[in-house]
Amino acid sequence: SQQGEEDPQALSIQEGENATMNCSYKTSINNLQWYRQNSGRGLVHLILIRSNEREKHSGRLRVTLDTSKKSSSLLITASRAADTASYFCATDGAGANSKLTFGKGITLSVRP
Amino acid sequence: DGGITQSPKYLFRKEGQNVTLSCEQNLNHDAMYWYRQDPGQGLRLIYYSQIVNDFQKGDIAEGYSVSREKKESFPLTVTSAQKNPTAFYLCASTPYRQGYGYTFGSGTRLTVV
Repeated sequence: SQQGEEDPQALSIQEGENATMNCSYKTSINNLQWYRQNSGRGLVHLILIRSNEREKHSGRLRVTLDTSKKSSSLLITASRAADTASYFCATDGAGANSKLTFGKGITLSVRP
Repeated sequence: DGGITQSPKYLFRKEGQNVTLSCEQNLNHDAMYWYRQDPGQGLRLIYYSQIVNDFQKGDIAEGYSVSREKKESFPLTVTSAQKNPTAFYLCASTPYRQGYGYTFGSGTRLTVV
């Protein structure tokens, strides 16, 4: 079963604008992670936020987590054409073993 | 450089045939995973292994089998029992401990001919 649900399904913006992507989930988590996938390639880990954290930054990325609403957002600031990709949120459940459950992904297009 | 290698990149399977996808990592990660990706469905977990000689079924294990005889290797066999095997298969690994991101291979695209 798919735990994370991303929103919107597709996003098209102009280079230099900010991109905001949202993710909602259903059950308790240990952490939530965001990944990027370029067409036909493997996934690349972007950022991880633990359940006891509310916000995290990494370069142009900012992730927030609201465990009361079971939601997360990924903000990419000053977007570039190279940011064009699919973005996935993934939740790591509260059990002892790490096992990521992925959403269906968001397709981001950044126009030059 | 440390990483995770999947081979082959493209694989064609005839009806009724078993095929094996290779996944090797030199990251010294304990846990390894196989995911299947279909268009519009995200990634679904097939099998995972936290330690050598042990593995667990994921959400869609039917028609697949795995082995974990070495820490570095986690091959996936797509059997003839898998009725719709055409998909993009991704292998991943992570340190066993919680709280680490996964490292993914570049994937194998399997097509039934």
